[in-house]
Amino acid sequence: QKEVEQNSGPLSVPEGAIASLNCTYSDRGSQSFFWYRQYSGKSPELIMSIYSNGDKEDGRFTAQLNKASQYVSLLIRDSQPSDSATYLCAVTSSGGYQKVTFGTGTKLQVIP
Amino acid sequence: NAGVTQTPKFQVLKTGQSMTLQCAQDMNHNSMYWYRQDPGMGLRLIYYSASEGTTDKGEVPNGYNVSRLNKREFSLRLESAAPSQTSVYFCASLGTMGTDTQYFGPGTRLTVL
Repeated sequence: QKEVEQNSGPLSVPEGAIASLNCTYSDRGSQSFFWYRQYSGKSPELIMSIYSNGDKEDGRFTAQLNKASQYVSLLIRDSQPSDSATYLCAVTSSGGYQKVTFGTGTKLQVIP
Repeated sequence: NAGVTQTPKFQVLKTGQSMTLQCAQDMNHNSMYWYRQDPGMGLRLIYYSASEGTTDKGEVPNGYNVSRLNKREFSLRLESAAPSQTSVYFCASLGTMGTDTQYFGPGTRLTVL
């Protein structure tokens, strides 16, 4: 079992719709969870971080964390073509916050 | 404030050649990382350094060595390059608090022929 799992996609949504990206992780002791966006040929950039159960909203983005189910998600409201990218889920290890494991990423395509 | 810088941006090697990828950060971060990214594989951790003077293996350390030269610099060395090491390499750094996030360099695209 991979430590961090994501559906590779592509996930296609029409412009203006809600995109829902999901991630599961295996380490029950993980404390910190991140969503990164990566455009083709570029380095990952952080868009959301979440540390406690529940929802965290930032503009059009909402991160949701459920530690009991070992599940973290990212919702993108009013999706725009500029949101088309690969979204990477990252989780810190219970052995130390310094060790970060990434999922393989979900490719999102927003159709105009 | 340049953040995380990497050199070179592109490199082509022949099988068996050696090279060192350089990384530096100016954010006074304690932890630094080397990842490789291959199509469909996401980011895989090669080595990381939680603090100056320490290094630890990640998921895919074979064929690589690292040096944490000082707090700012973390280099990755390929002693005898193989075609399987063709990849994009990213360096990252992380602050001192558990809620800090990683900041990535622009990447090095390496091709081994």
